[in-house]
Amino acid sequence: DVKVTQSSRYLVKRTGEKVFLECVQDMDHENMFWYRQDPGLGLRLIYFSYDVKMKEKGDIPEGYSVSREKKERFSLILESASTNQTSMYLCASSWGQGISYEQYFGPGTRLTVT
Amino acid sequence: AQTVTQSQPEMSVQEAETVTLSCTYDTSESNYYLFWYKQPPSRQMILVIRQEAYKQQNATENRFSVNFQKAAKSFSLKISDSQLGDTAMYFCAFMNPPGGSEKLVFGKGMKLTVNP
Repeated sequence: DVKVTQSSRYLVKRTGEKVFLECVQDMDHENMFWYRQDPGLGLRLIYFSYDVKMKEKGDIPEGYSVSREKKERFSLILESASTNQTSMYLCASSWGQGISYEQYFGPGTRLTVT
Repeated sequence: AQTVTQSQPEMSVQEAETVTLSCTYDTSESNYYLFWYKQPPSRQMILVIRQEAYKQQNATENRFSVNFQKAAKSFSLKISDSQLGDTAMYFCAFMNPPGGSEKLVFGKGMKLTVNP
């Protein structure tokens, strides 16, 4: 079974802090994604990566950056957390290169910025 | 840009009944994929069913089936013999791999409650 894990289920940070959200997948997937989930807005893509050190902006990249130094790990970075970044963050991965297209999701990190 | 619309924010159904979740999308592409994902309460999101636009036959997975109307840009999910475990948020999603990489565009989701 594919396993996608996220470093924290719940996180509370203060405004202005630098926040790291970590995601690890164990299936050698090429693609990894970071989404933000808000009630009434669905899932919105922040960033995705299709290879190590490769990244592409999604629909709402402002205020975020990402890092993918190893194939299995994709980090989302909030450079200076703000209250409007309070949300549920979901990581996902997929095989890439036209194999399956199914995305496998992690359990999510509920981030509260106070 | 592609958009996905789920017009019903919430539905409820009695156990063992059939329910249909609606989804419409907008695209100018001819080759794309459509998905329904399920997010149970406090659990991970999982794929329910997938449809390739070039296939005329509607996809089915056990109690789950879709009604794909390409001309109308409609992609509804039918759940037969609803079970309590079907209670979840359901998201319709679109992907255009040739033109848009393997990114998913999601609808806003619909909360389904199955009552005993």
